Amino acid sequence: NAGVTQTPKFRVLKTGQSMTLLCAQDMNHEYMYWYRQDPGMGLRLIHYSVGEGTTAKGEVPDGYNVSRLKKQNFLLGLESAAPSQTSVYFCATSSNDRATYEQYFGPGTRLTVT
Amino acid sequence: RKEVEQDPGPFNVPEGATVAFNCTYSNSASQSFFWYRQDCRKEPKLLMSVYSSGNEDGRFTAQLNRASQYISLLIRDSKLSDSATYLCVVNPISSGSARQLTFGSGTQLTVLP
Repeated sequence: NAGVTQTPKFRVLKTGQSMTLLCAQDMNHEYMYWYRQDPGMGLRLIHYSVGEGTTAKGEVPDGYNVSRLKKQNFLLGLESAAPSQTSVYFCATSSNDRATYEQYFGPGTRLTVT
Repeated sequence: RKEVEQDPGPFNVPEGATVAFNCTYSNSASQSFFWYRQDCRKEPKLLMSVYSSGNEDGRFTAQLNRASQYISLLIRDSKLSDSATYLCVVNPISSGSARQLTFGSGTQLTVLP
């Protein structure tokens, strides 16, 4: 039972390159989220999904796209990377259990854009 | 104004000390409140939920003051292993069915031997 996994763990991109971050979960959770974490800023929501085939914008969606073709996977894409997208990216999931709002996080992806 | 504000610290305390963290939130309609813990270069993990009546989990006590829109976390008898960043987290009522959380930027704690 791996929980929430993220691929890759580290990546260095040049400005203008593209990449896709993969989040996979085996918790059978409906909700999935992508956050970025920058020093002094806290976690900021990029995009989220409330179920397979659905996505929605969060607080800072510009420059990112997402897809949720399968319930267990949530992909985050950067079409043309910029230095401002240097950050640590976390994926999280939560169930639709009314009793809890707990989110379970993956280990993160450290991305540097030069 | 940030939705969730915390003193960033750092708080450096000796082992065995009692330390308290505070947090304020701006949305008076917020319904759910939490403390998460984040170790250096790791992912955040839920430490405890915060209830209106206050709640305790071992050495950790969380309090909520809705009138002042204020949340606190008290750690008694600090251990070296308590060294981490503590994130104040709120579920804003506007998140509706999306179950979104708003995270504070965290308070850094170092417990010294």
